[in-house]
Amino acid sequence: GAVVSQHPSWVICKSGTSVKIECRSLDFQATTMFWYRQFPKQSLMLMATSNEGSKATYEQGVEKDKFLINHASLTLSTLTVTSAHPEDSSFYICSARDRGGVSGNTIYFGEGSWLTVV
Amino acid sequence: SQQGEEDPQALSIQEGENATMNCSYKTSINNLQWYRQNSGRGLVHLILIRSNEREKHSGRLRVTLDTSKKSSSLLITASRAADTASYFCATGFQKLVFGTGTRLLVSP
Repeated sequence: GAVVSQHPSWVICKSGTSVKIECRSLDFQATTMFWYRQFPKQSLMLMATSNEGSKATYEQGVEKDKFLINHASLTLSTLTVTSAHPEDSSFYICSARDRGGVSGNTIYFGEGSWLTVV
Repeated sequence: SQQGEEDPQALSIQEGENATMNCSYKTSINNLQWYRQNSGRGLVHLILIRSNEREKHSGRLRVTLDTSKKSSSLLITASRAADTASYFCATGFQKLVFGTGTRLLVSP
């Protein structure tokens, strides 16, 4: 079945540095991908919608200059956390929509990426 | 913004018992989905129920939907230790809005 891959699964970075997380759709094309953030024992909060070939659409309260999203191809979206701070430590999950799937609109989630900023 | 509330927030049961989780949402929907998340992992889609459906089954899962009350329930029958996970309801077409989730612990 369709798979969405995220990389890295976990990353530790120093405060002030930037870190990039990749989200790939492995066997389908995804014109739209979504990035979520999840704090421990809490629900997923949508951060932004990543649109292939155009600018991402950010949810209210999400700093677009802080969380840079690039969707340069139909199978890859990247989230870059810039000038990371400890409060950015979180679990980041992406999802991608497979328009060509059996249901015609199936959403697949990646395995998530743990970010720890020290 | 958070769409729905789920209750209970946490549920602890013994293997073999049934587990029921409830979800309430705020706006009109076309469908509602339930997802499972193992600790620190991604989400696995369990079941989708459309707004014109009242009940749906999939294996040991039974989902109900009451659009008049804007609520849904997920029942897991004959639970197993492997069912231990967090369960979320979600609404929306592409931009899924998740409920607060229920953490289920099934003890052997």
